[in-house]
Amino acid sequence: AQRVTQPEKLLSVFKGAPVELKCNYSYSGSPELFWYVQYSRQRLQLLLRHISRESIKGFTADLNKGETSFHLKKPFAQEEDSAMYYCALNRGGYNKLIFGAGTRLAVHP
Amino acid sequence: GAGVSQSPSNKVTEKGKDVELRCDPISGHTALYWYRQSLGQGLEFLIYFQGNSAPDKSGLPSDRFSAERTGGSVSTLTIQRTQQEDSAVYLCASSLDLRGPTQYFGPGTRLTVL
Repeated sequence: AQRVTQPEKLLSVFKGAPVELKCNYSYSGSPELFWYVQYSRQRLQLLLRHISRESIKGFTADLNKGETSFHLKKPFAQEEDSAMYYCALNRGGYNKLIFGAGTRLAVHP
Repeated sequence: GAGVSQSPSNKVTEKGKDVELRCDPISGHTALYWYRQSLGQGLEFLIYFQGNSAPDKSGLPSDRFSAERTGGSVSTLTIQRTQQEDSAVYLCASSLDLRGPTQYFGPGTRLTVL
């Protein structure tokens, strides 16, 4: 079965510390993976897609097919990064996304 | 331009009542999706619409749930005979088409079934 797992419900770090939000997926086909973010009192929005291989707000994520992972990383966390982060898997190219349960990132001053 | 809008923002209802949730997608977006977010859970796909094609209803949890999209724009999600386990945030999203890379989400409707 297709599944997205985010093992940490809460990740708490200090400003300037490195951050890694974990995401593992199970999917037999060729996956398309995303990270979505929801800041306090804002809508869920796309942060980045693995296909784009881009860095957004200092965040990067690399698809590791061998480990079936798509961890989100940032070398130096900022307080404004505090938010709820969701990893999502697109099956079959039709944007029928499967979301993980989400990880709350709290960056402390 | 305006983003995806949803109404109402909050809905409290009694068990057994029917509710209707509305979604206005971004103008020009042909694909529309409904998701449900229960407390402590990730978003659960419910249904999507693409243009005039038959909707993909594979995520609807029971036959008490139905959705329609009129004129290829506004969509209504209806839950009949609501149960307490239906309490959740219902999110709507739209994208240019089914292969559009980005889904734009609405603010959600928080449904509480007493």
